[in-house]
Amino acid sequence: EPEVTQTPSHQVTQMGQEVILRCVPISNHLYFYWYRQILGQKVEFLVSFYNNEISEKSEIFDDQFSVERPDGSNFTLKIRSTKLEDSAMYFCASSEGGTANEKLLFGSGTQLSVL
Amino acid sequence: AQSVAQPEDQVKVAEGNPLTVKCTYSVSGNPYLFWYVQYPNRGLQFLLKYITGDNLVKGSYGFEAEFNKSQTSFHLKKPSALVSDSALYFCAVRDIWGKLIFGQGTELSVKP
Repeated sequence: EPEVTQTPSHQVTQMGQEVILRCVPISNHLYFYWYRQILGQKVEFLVSFYNNEISEKSEIFDDQFSVERPDGSNFTLKIRSTKLEDSAMYFCASSEGGTANEKLLFGSGTQLSVL
Repeated sequence: AQSVAQPEDQVKVAEGNPLTVKCTYSVSGNPYLFWYVQYPNRGLQFLLKYITGDNLVKGSYGFEAEFNKSQTSFHLKKPSALVSDSALYFCAVRDIWGKLIFGQGTELSVKP
C-alpha cells in the first residue's frame, strides 16, 4: 500500500527557533492533515487542508503555526518560534476524499524536541 | 460534538487468549468509527472501520470490531492474541468536516 512519508524522523531545536516539518502525502490524495501527540497523551488534531487552503484548525494551531503545499507533492508544517511545550510527535495524514467514511493514512511521524 | 472514549488505559492478556479493547462513542448522526494501531516509534496504522452494514467488521492482522448501537460501543477484538499484537490502540470517530477525533488510547500487552 502507498505510504505517507515524513522527514525528518527526529528534529531537535532550541526554543525560539523556527522548524519546518515535511510530509509527502499519497499522490492521489486531496485532503491533508497534521496531528500531534505529546508523550503519553492522546493524538490531537491540529489542522486540515484542502484545495490549497486550511479547512479547519484547532485551538492549538495558533499564529505560530502555518501549513503550506509549496509544490504538487510536499505538505509542510512550520512553527515560527518554538516553545518547550511544542515538543511532541507530529503526524501527517492524508485521505483521498473528505467524506467521513474514508480512512486517513498516517506517516511515521517527526519527533520534535525543543530544548 | 463527536467523541470516543476508551475506558481502559491498559489491557493485559496471555498469548493465545482472546482480547478485547473497549471503545464507546458519542456522536450526532451516523457514526463513522475507526481503529488504529501504533507500534513503538511508529506511526498510526489503519486497522478497520465501520461505516454501515454488518455490525461485525473485519480488519487487518486478524482483528475485528463489533458495532453495538444500543450500547454505543465499538469494541476491538481478536480471537487469539499474539505477542506481536502488543501496541497502543486508538479508537477514533471521523466528523462531518473530515477530521479524526481520537480516544485516549489503550496499551495492549500480550505476554507469552
